[in-house]
Amino acid sequence: KQEVTQIPAALSVPEGENLVLNCSFTDSAIYNLQWFRQDPGKGLTSLLLIQSSQREQTSGRLNASLDKSSGRSTLYIAASQPGDSATYLCAVIRGSTLGRLYFGRGTQLTVWP
Amino acid sequence: DADVTQTPRNRITKTGKRIMLECSQTKGHDRMYWYRQDPGLGLRLIYYSFDVKDINKGEISDGYSVSRQAQAKFSLSLESAIPNQTALYFCATSDWGTSLGEQYFGPGTRLTVT
Repeated sequence: KQEVTQIPAALSVPEGENLVLNCSFTDSAIYNLQWFRQDPGKGLTSLLLIQSSQREQTSGRLNASLDKSSGRSTLYIAASQPGDSATYLCAVIRGSTLGRLYFGRGTQLTVWP
Repeated sequence: DADVTQTPRNRITKTGKRIMLECSQTKGHDRMYWYRQDPGLGLRLIYYSFDVKDINKGEISDGYSVSRQAQAKFSLSLESAIPNQTALYFCATSDWGTSLGEQYFGPGTRLTVT
């Protein structure tokens, strides 16, 4: 069974800091990995999707990396802003069960002015 | 207009009642999913459908049923609601052929069973 772990569970930083959120998964036979943002009481917004053959994806101030062999992904947020405050979720699709996402429990990020 | 819509957005119901949550999408995706989210437990898959004639159980399907009425519509039913089904419910869609399985989520339905 695929298990996805996110560390830390919560993070509080001052505005302007560069930060890294971590995600690890137990089964390296993944098809792709997706990072989401969730605002309180709201739905999930897809931030980045990395295919298993890729090493990283970038979107604006966000950069996600993937090391499939070690079962790890990181989400790097540059020059954090208060508007980045949200819960960030990592999810993987296993190669053997195409279409099913396995989620971590998320990292709750607070960026204070 | 949102690509994935869910109705109702909030619902309070009593134990034993039957309730249906509805999901519609305008993305033209073939695959649809239902998840529930509980504080501290993350999102868990209830049911998923790869096309209109294909329905599959997820990891927590007991107490739930689904109907894929059309490619764009996927409904989740609680036949006899119980308090531990109080949660935030999400519908999601994906198109395997063009978007490599990237999933798009609706805004969620907050369900409270008293």
